Amino acid sequence: KAGVTQTPRYLIKTRGQQVTLSCSPISGHRSVSWYQQTPGQGLQFLFEYFSETQRNKGNFPGRFSGRQFSNSRSEMNVSTLELGDSALYLCASSLAIREDTGELFFGEGSRLTVL
Amino acid sequence: TQLLEQSPQFLSIQEGENLTVYCNSSSVFSSLQWYRQEPGEGPVLLVTVVTGGEVKKLKRLTFQFGDARKDSSLHITAAQPGDTGLYLCAGAESGKLIFGQGTTLQVKP
Repeated sequence: KAGVTQTPRYLIKTRGQQVTLSCSPISGHRSVSWYQQTPGQGLQFLFEYFSETQRNKGNFPGRFSGRQFSNSRSEMNVSTLELGDSALYLCASSLAIREDTGELFFGEGSRLTVL
Repeated sequence: TQLLEQSPQFLSIQEGENLTVYCNSSSVFSSLQWYRQEPGEGPVLLVTVVTGGEVKKLKRLTFQFGDARKDSSLHITAAQPGDTGLYLCAGAESGKLIFGQGTTLQVKP
């Protein structure tokens, strides 16, 4: 079956712009999590959605937001981009009902560069 | 906030050598997962350990969960170049999975 699909794979933005990243989970998975990965901080949890509801949120500023649609597809948005937002953004889907159990299936990520 | 500390951060070894990667925390986790991430890809789950003292084997990889469920280790026997990658441990905290910083392993032929 198809894996987690993230688009776009690569993008370049300038400071102050905003960006929207998309994630299509594995069919049947209702939980979608987003992570930011940087060399210095590793994988940092952004937020997790289940059946269109945000169940958990990490310690990121309000410029980072997300949503989930009825078909489980998810988007995350970053407004007023800063240089420090340059990172690999990973989306993961899960079959687990509980947020913190079960296997996470990751996409290949969206590599964002902010100039 | 529970923290997961991995050591070493970087490891470069020759093919055929053995190695151990550690994942430590001051807090108790109900379970720990280990993932491997290769360049240009997302992390892939290797194993989940749940019971204190549990040992799981995956071919040449041996995973152990500490008796107190605060730490875990990954041992690779006779490493091969195909083992090269970023190894991440992850534990459940307040309803979400948190990850350690990772151990970058390079196995040279």
